[in-house]
Amino acid sequence: AQSVAQPEDQVNVAEGNPLTVKCTYSVSGNPYLFWYVQYPNRGLQFLLKYITGDNLVKGSYGFEAEFNKSQTSFHLKKPSALVSDSALYFCAVRDIVKAAGNKLTFGGGTRVLVKP
Amino acid sequence: DAGVTQSPTHLIKTRGQQVTLRCSPKSGHDTVSWYQQALGQGPQFIFQYYEEEERQRGNFPDRFSGHQFPNYSSELNVNALLLGDSALYLCASSLDSTPFVGELFFGEGSRLTVL
Repeated sequence: AQSVAQPEDQVNVAEGNPLTVKCTYSVSGNPYLFWYVQYPNRGLQFLLKYITGDNLVKGSYGFEAEFNKSQTSFHLKKPSALVSDSALYFCAVRDIVKAAGNKLTFGGGTRVLVKP
Repeated sequence: DAGVTQSPTHLIKTRGQQVTLRCSPKSGHDTVSWYQQALGQGPQFIFQYYEEEERQRGNFPDRFSGHQFPNYSSELNVNALLLGDSALYLCASSLDSTPFVGELFFGEGSRLTVL
């Protein structure tokens, strides 16, 4: 079975400071990893994904994430946060084992609040 | 290019009633997945439809059923509604491939309130 943990319910950061949102995962095989963002009363928007290759993945809106296989982590980062980055962030995993299909398993989400 | 569209956006039902939610996938996509997002939680996988068949199912009771039409659009039906079914229902589309390495594209969701 695949699972995702986002240990922080909320992250507070001042505008202009670095932002990190933590994610750890568990899969039986190798993972496909994703980050999505959700603004109030909206659907999920794709930010970035790790499939294979370089462990540092760059995505939309200046976000990046680092895949660490030994720590089974995929933390989301942004060097300089904006007030407009305030939203709910979800980490998701899919096991590349064929039987897993393309179902995504999501973490519980981390609310990011960027203060001016 | 229209993205994933869902209807209705909001609806209110009472316990025991039945509801149908609709989804049109992003142009060119052939696979539709449904997720339930309860308040304050991450989305939970309900099921996925491909070639008009349910291909994969999450841990949801048989009260939850679906359908996919030849034009790839999809419906989610929930019978005998319970208070706990109150949630945001998200539709996600994708283009099938093996292996599947793409991302899912989500609609804005249908917010169901059961009274």
